[in-house]
Amino acid sequence: AQSVSQHNHHVILSEAASLELGCNYSYGGTVNLFWYVQYPGQHLQLLLKYFSGDPLVKGIKGFEAEFIKSKFSFNLRKPSVQWSDTAEYFCAVMNSGGYQKVTFGTGTKLQVIP
Amino acid sequence: NAGVTQTPKFQVLKTGQSMTLQCAQDMNHNSMYWYRQDPGMGLRLIYYSASEGTTDKGEVPNGYNVSRLNKREFSLRLESAAPSQTSVYFCASKKGEILYDTQYFGPGTRLTVL
Repeated sequence: AQSVSQHNHHVILSEAASLELGCNYSYGGTVNLFWYVQYPGQHLQLLLKYFSGDPLVKGIKGFEAEFIKSKFSFNLRKPSVQWSDTAEYFCAVMNSGGYQKVTFGTGTKLQVIP
Repeated sequence: NAGVTQTPKFQVLKTGQSMTLQCAQDMNHNSMYWYRQDPGMGLRLIYYSASEGTTDKGEVPNGYNVSRLNKREFSLRLESAAPSQTSVYFCASKKGEILYDTQYFGPGTRLTVL
């Protein structure tokens, strides 16, 4: 069975600080990986996704993530956060074989202080 | 395109009451999903429908039923609501092809069971 771990539950940063949110998954086969963002009171929106190719993926709003297969990780990064990045961030994994199954992590709440 | 729409946005029920949450998508997607989101637990899959005419259980199906009415619509029914079903419910859809597939989420239904 596949699973996703997000170890940081709540992160507080000052504006302009750098961000790295951890995501580790467990699955024996080929995976597709996603980061979603949920702004307060809103639905989930896709930030970025990895299917194949370059393991460094760039998404919207200056976010990027790096897929490190040997570490089963897909960490989200942003060099300089803004107050508007305050949101909850979810990592998700979809296995390529059973393509219907998407498993989400428990989320990381990011609070950016002006 | 409206994307994925859900009704109602908010609902309060008493224990034992029944209700149906509606979801519709206008993207001609084959696959549709119902998730519930609870604090600290991320998103958990209740039911999904890989294609019109099929439905399958997810991680937490107990207490729920679903109907894939047609390709556009996928409803979630609570036959006898319980306080443990207080949650935010998200519907999602995706095209349903094996590769390069992304889920799109609706705005959510916030349900309180008293």
